[in-house]
Amino acid sequence: KNQVEQSPQSLIILEGKNCTLQCNYTVSPFSNLRWYKQDTGRGPVSLTIMTFSENTKSNGRYTATLDADTKQSSLHITASQLSDSASYICGTYKYIFGTGTRLKVLA
Amino acid sequence: DTGVSQDPRHKITKRGQNVTFRCDPISEHNRLYWYRQTLGQGPEFLTYFQNEAQLEKSRLLSDRFSAERPKGSFSTLEIQRTEQGDSAMYLCASSSPGTGTQGSPLHFGNGTRLTVT
Repeated sequence: KNQVEQSPQSLIILEGKNCTLQCNYTVSPFSNLRWYKQDTGRGPVSLTIMTFSENTKSNGRYTATLDADTKQSSLHITASQLSDSASYICGTYKYIFGTGTRLKVLA
Repeated sequence: DTGVSQDPRHKITKRGQNVTFRCDPISEHNRLYWYRQTLGQGPEFLTYFQNEAQLEKSRLLSDRFSAERPKGSFSTLEIQRTEQGDSAMYLCASSSPGTGTQGSPLHFGNGTRLTVT
């Protein structure tokens, strides 16, 4: 069954700290994996798109990794800011999305 | 702002009524998608257009749902005889054709929140 599982479900960190969110996928055929940031009441915003041949991709303070062998991806947020408080969703093109990790950054 | 625009932002309707939502994609994007999202869940794929052609429709979508994209520009999503289970955020996204396996990012609108009472 094609699916994406994310962990943890929720995470609370202090401003300035780093954190890592996990995404495990079982999707076939696989073309790319995407990470999105979704603020409350708004649509998701694309952070990165990773193909099976890419191991690491950065977008500012966000760094995504992909291990095609273990079918795992992670999103690392460096030096968190209050504005990073949001849900982070991983998924494949078009069809399959995880339920997200709800991140709260405290001052 | 030339992002994806959705209207209305909120809609409250009584069970059994019909509702219609509109999506205006980014003008140069030929691909348009509709999703439904409930609280604590990721977006659930509903349907996909390439230009004016509806190429894919989720098997989960009941016959009460219909979408159109006349002339390959804006799109509408209609729900007939609404049920309480239809209460959700309805998201529209658009994208340009991707190249190779990279694909192109989906640009989402801020959705229409439907409440069926």
